[in-house]
Amino acid sequence: NAGVTQTPKFRILKIGQSMTLQCTQDMNHNYMYWYRQDPGMGLKLIYYSVGAGITDKGEVPNGYNVSRSTTEDFPLRLELAAPSQTSVYFCASNRGSNQPQHFGDGTRLSIL
Amino acid sequence: GENVEQHPSTLSVQEGDSAVIKCTYSDSASNYFPWYKQELGKGPQLIIDIRSNVGEKKDQRIAVTLNKTAKHFSLHITETQPEDSAVYFCAASKPGANNLFFGTGTRLTVIP
Repeated sequence: NAGVTQTPKFRILKIGQSMTLQCTQDMNHNYMYWYRQDPGMGLKLIYYSVGAGITDKGEVPNGYNVSRSTTEDFPLRLELAAPSQTSVYFCASNRGSNQPQHFGDGTRLSIL
Repeated sequence: GENVEQHPSTLSVQEGDSAVIKCTYSDSASNYFPWYKQELGKGPQLIIDIRSNVGEKKDQRIAVTLNKTAKHFSLHITETQPEDSAVYFCAASKPGANNLFFGTGTRLTVIP
């Protein structure tokens, strides 16, 4: 089992560019999450999904979009990259609410 | 929403000593409290969790205590080893909620 796999590991974007952060899990988890982690801060929830075709906003959704067409994949899209989106992005999954979340190793994104 | 505060932000201990990290939460409805360890360049990894129907839980050198009345919970690591050096995060969530609310992290350094 690979667990939660995120790609790419690192990326530098120019302001206004777009990109998709990929996340896939092989644990057959229904719930998946996207967090961002800024220096000295805890993780903040961007979007989450409780199953294929169902997504919902978290605490900090502005500037991001998600889709969930399969159980395994939960990509995060940045349409118009802004310097404020420079962060480390983590994807996570679990079997349901209030269950342990399993995290990927993150995507480090810099926007210049 | 929930507000989780974590102290201290940094902690240095001698190898073999104990380390204690404390968190408080604001929402009395929260009932699930996981602790995560994050090593450099990696995603958070669950090390222990506790639910509100239990006051204490132990797993080898790691223990967590919960005081629902005071709305605080603590992580205790005994006989610390250099490999315990990492950033530790506490979190809290409510029944049926899909959000985990994270503390801001504690950087633990174990000095050999």
